[in-house]
Amino acid sequence: QLQLEESGPGLVKPSETLSLTCTVSGGSMTSSSYYWGWIRQPPGKGLEWIANIYYSWDKYYNPSLESRVTISADTSKNQFSLKLSSVTAADTAVYYCARSDYTDQSYDYWGQGILVTVSS
Amino acid sequence: DIQMTQSPSSLSASVGDRVTITCRASQGISKSLAWYQQKPGKAPKLLLYAASRLESGVPSRFSGSGSGTDYTLTISSLQPEDFATYYCQQYYSTPITFGQGTRLEIK
Repeated sequence: QLQLEESGPGLVKPSETLSLTCTVSGGSMTSSSYYWGWIRQPPGKGLEWIANIYYSWDKYYNPSLESRVTISADTSKNQFSLKLSSVTAADTAVYYCARSDYTDQSYDYWGQGILVTVSS
Repeated sequence: DIQMTQSPSSLSASVGDRVTITCRASQGISKSLAWYQQKPGKAPKLLLYAASRLESGVPSRFSGSGSGTDYTLTISSLQPEDFATYYCQQYYSTPITFGQGTRLEIK
C-alpha cells in the first residue's frame, strides 16, 4: 500500500524559507504513470494547489506562488521536496503531499498533512 | 486560471436523503474533474475522477455527472459517515484549481 509522509519544521519565521519533504513508501517514484504534488489548506479554508513534479525534471507551479516556490525530487531516496521562500502569515497552512495519475490528474494518495505556522 | 464555483456552500440533510452538489467551471473542462471528501483533521479522499468514474473502494451511492462547465456529485442515500466537506477539482489546465467546498451537515 502506497504511503506518503510529510516532514519538516512546524514553525517558520516570517521572511524565512519553508522547507518540507515528502517520503514515499510502498511504491516507486520512478513510475511514468504519476505526478507528485503539493497542496495546502489554510486553517478553516479551502485547498490550494502549489506544484507538481514528474520524475525529477518536469515541474509545474501555481503562478500565484511561482516566484517563491521550488519543487524537487530525489528518486534514489523516493522523496520529493517543497521550498517556499519569503513566507508570511498568509502561508500558514496544512501542507499535503499527494500523488496524481499522469492522465487523470486527480490525487489518489495523500499524506496526512503537516501544519506549518509562520510566526516570529 | 479556471475558477471553480461550488453550490451550495453548505447543506443540511438527513440520513437516507438524496443530495446533489454542483460545481461550475469558468470555462469548459472536458470532464477533467475530480470530487473529494474531507473530514475534519484528515486529508481529502478521492471519490470520483473524469467527472463520473468511481475511485476504487468508494461506495456506489456516490455518483458524478456533467460535461462542459457544469458538473454534479450525487449521494443517493446519505449515510452517517458521509457528513463531511466536499471539494471539486479541475485538472483540465494548470494551475489546478479547487472549488471552495460544500459542507454537508446533519439536519
